[in-house]
Formats: sequence, C-alpha cells, structure tokens
Amino acid sequence: NAGVTQTPKFRILKIGQSMTLQCTQDMNHNYMYWYRQDPGMGLKLIYYSVGAGITDKGEVPNGYNVSRSTTEDFPLRLELAAPSQTSVYFCASSSGGQNTEAFFGQGTRLTVV
Amino acid sequence: GENVEQHPSTLSVQEGDSAVIKCTYSDSASNYFPWYKQELGKRPQLIIDIRSNVGEKKDQRIAVTLNKTAKHFSLHITETQPEDSAVYFCAAKGGSTLGRLYFGRGTQLTVWP
Repeated sequence: NAGVTQTPKFRILKIGQSMTLQCTQDMNHNYMYWYRQDPGMGLKLIYYSVGAGITDKGEVPNGYNVSRSTTEDFPLRLELAAPSQTSVYFCASSSGGQNTEAFFGQGTRLTVV
Repeated sequence: GENVEQHPSTLSVQEGDSAVIKCTYSDSASNYFPWYKQELGKRPQLIIDIRSNVGEKKDQRIAVTLNKTAKHFSLHITETQPEDSAVYFCAAKGGSTLGRLYFGRGTQLTVWP
C-alpha cells in the first residue's frame, strides 16, 4: 500500500513565487489534513477536509489555499511565498470514524529565499 | 474547539530509566487519544492509542493511561533505550468535530547511553 504520498520532497522557492504541494491517499479516507512543522516545533494545522468538496481552516491558514475535488487528492497551494512559510509540510489522512489513526505522508521540506 | 497541552517540552533520561509524558485536554467529549513518535527527519507514526472507555493500555515497554474525570492522559516508557530518542506527540480527537485530531506541541525525549 502506498498510503499517503506527498510531492515534492524538497523545494526551494523565491519570495513571491507560487507552488502547489500535492497529496494523495489510496486508503479511501474521508478526512485529510495539512500541517506545517517549524524547526523544533509541533504540528500546526493549516487546513483540513472532511470529504470531497468540503474544506475548513485550521490554526494557521493565512497564505494558503486548498481544494478537495476528489476523495484521494488534497493539494495545498501557496500564493506569493514568504520566508515565514519556510517549514516542513505534512499531509495526513484518517477514515474519520470513531477511534481511527491518522496516517502521515513523508513530508515536504520547503525553503523560501 | 479542543485544546491539548503537553508537558514537558524536553525530557532527558538515562538508558534503562522510565520516561513519562503528560497531556491534558479541554473537550470532555473527546473520545480517542493517540500518541505519535517522530524520529529525526521522518514522519510522525502512531505508537499507541487509547479509547475513552479504557483506563490503561500496554504494549511491551509502552503504556498509556487515561483519566477522563481529570481530562489528562500520559505516556509511560519503561526501560528506555537510545532508539526511543525522538519527538513524541499526544493528540485528542475532538468530540464536537468528528475526525479532527488536535495535537500537543511535542516532547523531545533524549535517552543517554
């Protein structure tokens, strides 16, 4: 099983550029999440989705956008990249039922210069 | 929404000693409490979880306890080994927003040989 797959693994952006972080899962999970993790820090929720067509803001949504057109895919869009968005980004998914585990992708290390 | 607090932020122990990490949560309706381990440069992975109808769960050297009245849960690692060194995150699944996990800020555990 592939689980949760993120691309790319690494990326360097210049200030003001845009990019999309891709996330796809093959477990038919309803719930998907995007987190960022700054060095030495915990996970901060950016956006999440409870199913296709439904998204909601997390703790730190500013500067990001998401869409959920299919159950499998949950891309994260960065518009006008800023140095403050330098971080490691994790996508995760869970089935959303009672007592279910969240599975994480391998992460995308983004540097904005 | 739910608020999860985790302590301590860093913990150093000698190999063979026990380590305890504590978390509190705010939403009395929360019903699922997983613990994740994140090794350096890798994704968080589930190590143990506990449901709201259980007070304690053990898996070899790892145990988790839950006190629903006090709204706190703890991770206990006995006979620690250097490979236990990692960041540990607690989480709670909010009762009012199905499926969404709220994470603590993490504990950096270092086990000295």
